[in-house]
Amino acid sequence: ETGVTQSPTHLIKTRGQQVTLRCSSQSGHNTVSWYQQALGQGPQFIFQYYREEENGRGNFPPRFSGLQFPNYSSELNVNALELDDSALYLCASTPEPDRQGGGGYTFGSGTRLTVV
Amino acid sequence: GNSVTQMEGPVTLSEEAFLTINCTYTATGYPSLFWYVQYPGEGLQLLLKATKADDKGSNKGFEATYRKETTSFHLEKGSVQVSDSAVYFCALSTNAGKSTFGDGTTLTVKP
Repeated sequence: ETGVTQSPTHLIKTRGQQVTLRCSSQSGHNTVSWYQQALGQGPQFIFQYYREEENGRGNFPPRFSGLQFPNYSSELNVNALELDDSALYLCASTPEPDRQGGGGYTFGSGTRLTVV
Repeated sequence: GNSVTQMEGPVTLSEEAFLTINCTYTATGYPSLFWYVQYPGEGLQLLLKATKADDKGSNKGFEATYRKETTSFHLEKGSVQVSDSAVYFCALSTNAGKSTFGDGTTLTVKP
């Protein structure tokens, strides 16, 4: 059983550019959530995807967008990068949307994005 | 809104010492509570969870009890090892499936 895999592991971008991060969910998991983890802080919820549609969003601006594909993999896109977007971006999957909140996530190792 | 407050770190202990990392929460409704662990250069791993009041979650010698009356979920281990050195995150989740995390507590265990 494969876990959650993310690519790339590290990325350096210039302010104003656009970036795409990728995530393959754990086998059998159809729900993917994205989190932003700034240095020294806990992860902050960006959004969740289920059945190829956004299924909940945190307090992030519209320049953060995503996609989910039929094989349940997902992309996170960030436009007009700002210096404060520098963070570890974590992808997490669950077997179904965790409507009772009791399941817990399987996380990938993350993509470290640096905006200069 | 929901929030999680963790004991500030870093915490440094000698091997075989007793560990407590405090966690308190604020939430509407009846959240599930979690502890995650993050080793250097890795993502978060679910350590243990509790889904209702008075439940005790346990794994790898770590324990935490869901205390609704004190809105707490403190992490404990009787005898820590060097390999337990990591960052520990307390989190809660409600029926939306979105989790709210604390800022993490860094634990260093010295031989």
